[in-house]
Amino acid sequence: ETGVTQSPTHLIKTRGQQVTLRCSSQSGHNTVSWYQQALGQGPQFIFQYYREEENGRGNFPPRFSGLQFPNYSSELNVNALELDDSALYLCASRDRVNEQFFGPGTRLTVL
Amino acid sequence: ILNVEQSPQSLHVQEGDSTNFTCSFPSSNFYALHWYRWETAKSPEALFVMTLNGDEKKKGRISATLNTKEGYSYLYIKGSQPEDSATYLCATNTNAGKSTFGDGTTLTVKP
Repeated sequence: ETGVTQSPTHLIKTRGQQVTLRCSSQSGHNTVSWYQQALGQGPQFIFQYYREEENGRGNFPPRFSGLQFPNYSSELNVNALELDDSALYLCASRDRVNEQFFGPGTRLTVL
Repeated sequence: ILNVEQSPQSLHVQEGDSTNFTCSFPSSNFYALHWYRWETAKSPEALFVMTLNGDEKKKGRISATLNTKEGYSYLYIKGSQPEDSATYLCATNTNAGKSTFGDGTTLTVKP
């Protein structure tokens, strides 16, 4: 059973650019959630996907969007990057039991 | 309580001490509470998922309790060891799938 993986590990972008982060869920998990974690704070919930449809969203603007694919891998897309988007982005997958398994995260720096 | 709040923010104990942290959360729309351990440079690791008022869970020297009516959970570590040093996060889920994390308690155990 493979764990949750994320790519890339680190990424540097400039303000105004667009970025796509990727996540491969743990085998058998059909729900994936994305979080933004700023230094010194807990992870902030961005959104959740279940069977390829968004079914929960936190307080993030529409320029944060996502996709979940039939194999349950997923993407987080952020358009028009702002300096405050610099953070660690975590994805987590879970099954019906509700226990979440996190990936190692992608560290995004916006200059 | 409008958000998930954790206290203390940080804690320094000696090896062998027992310690506990608090997680406070809104009791409305409660569905589940999670505790995670997050070691530096690793992914958050799920410790417990609790759903029922009065739930108590235990894993080795770590245990947790849940009071959904008053909106709090305690995490206890008995006989702390240096390898217990980490940030401990709690998070609640609503039945709509939205997760809300606290900012964590950072534990440092000195040998």
